[in-house]
Amino acid sequence: KQEVTQIPAALSVPEGENLVLNCSFTDSAIYNLQWFRQDPGKGLTSLLLIQSSQREQTSGRLNASLDKSSGRSTLYIAASQPGDSATYLCAVSGGYQKVTFGTGTKLQVIP
Amino acid sequence: KAGVTQTPRYLIKTRGQQVTLSCSPISGHRSVSWYQQTPGQGLQFLFEYFSETQRNKGNFPGRFSGRQFSNSRSEMNVSTLELGDSALYLCASSPATGGITVWYGYTFGSGTRLTVV
Repeated sequence: KQEVTQIPAALSVPEGENLVLNCSFTDSAIYNLQWFRQDPGKGLTSLLLIQSSQREQTSGRLNASLDKSSGRSTLYIAASQPGDSATYLCAVSGGYQKVTFGTGTKLQVIP
Repeated sequence: KAGVTQTPRYLIKTRGQQVTLSCSPISGHRSVSWYQQTPGQGLQFLFEYFSETQRNKGNFPGRFSGRQFSNSRSEMNVSTLELGDSALYLCASSPATGGITVWYGYTFGSGTRLTVV
């Protein structure tokens, strides 16, 4: 059974700092990995989708990498801003539309 | 391109009542998945529909049911509501195709906040 872990559960950083969020999964036989952000009481917003054949994806200040062999993905946020404060979740799928979510990292960026 | 639309946004129901939530996926997406999110349990998978058929099911009691229509719109129903059903219910749309097992990622709706009193 796939297990997805996100450490730390919470993170507080000063504005402007570069930061890395981690996502670890136990079964490396995955197809795709997706990063989301969720603001309190809202739905999940897709940030980046990395296909299994890719090593990384970039969107603006965000860069996500995927290392299937080690069961890890990282989300790098450059020059963090208070608006980046949210909970970040990763999700992986090994097929048959079975998707496993991580427990999330709650990020607070302090002005 | 319109996103995933969930209605209603908020609901307050009394214990024992039933409720129906609606989800319209992105045009062309044939897979719709439903999740329950609570502070204590995180995101819990309810079920996934593809072409009007339930393809995957989570570990929820039979009080939770769903269906999908020919236009890919989906509804989920919860009967005999309990206080513990209070949660944010999220619908996710995916461009899945039949016969292919690869997941191409989700687009989520804004959710329906259900409060059972």
